[in-house]
Amino acid sequence: AQSVTQLDSQVPVFEEAPVELRCNYSSSVSVYLFWYVQYPNQGLQLLLKYLSGSTLVESINGFEAEFNKSQTSFHLRKPSVHISDTAEYFCAVSEPGSARQLTFGSGTQLTVLP
Amino acid sequence: EADIYQTPRYLVIGTGKKITLECSQTMGHDKMYWYQQDPGMELHLIHYSYGVNSTEKGDLSSESTVSRIRTEHFPLTLESARPSHTSQYLCASSDRYEQYFGPGTRLTVT
Repeated sequence: AQSVTQLDSQVPVFEEAPVELRCNYSSSVSVYLFWYVQYPNQGLQLLLKYLSGSTLVESINGFEAEFNKSQTSFHLRKPSVHISDTAEYFCAVSEPGSARQLTFGSGTQLTVLP
Repeated sequence: EADIYQTPRYLVIGTGKKITLECSQTMGHDKMYWYQQDPGMELHLIHYSYGVNSTEKGDLSSESTVSRIRTEHFPLTLESARPSHTSQYLCASSDRYEQYFGPGTRLTVT
């Protein structure tokens, strides 16, 4: 069975500083990997995904994540955060062909301080 | 832009009432899901569906029930609401690779 571990439940960071949100997964087969973002009182929005190909994936708002198969990790990074990045971030994994699809981590609350 | 809708967005209701949370999607997806999420906590899968007339229970035991008689519609029903049902309920549908989420229904049972 697959599982996802988000190592930090809360990450406070000052505006314009870099940030890394950590995600490790376990699975016996190849996987797809996702980062979702959730703003207060809203549903989840897809931030970026790794399906195949280049191990470095980027979002339109400056986030990036790198799939590291040997370390079974998919850490999310941004070189300079903004106040508007304050949100809950969820890492998720799925196994190709699985109807259940996604297993979520417990989430990381990113708080950007002025 | 994903088109998945949930109503109501907020619901406050008394103990013992029957409630139905609505979820609809216009993308023609076969797979749909219901998650329960307490504030600031992880998501727990409570129901999912492969398609019309197919429903399965998820990881978290729930007293709710679901039905899927149309592809676009996946309502969740609580026959008798209790304070322990207070939570946020998120509906999602998926294509081959990713899930698309609705805005959620925040339920409070008093």
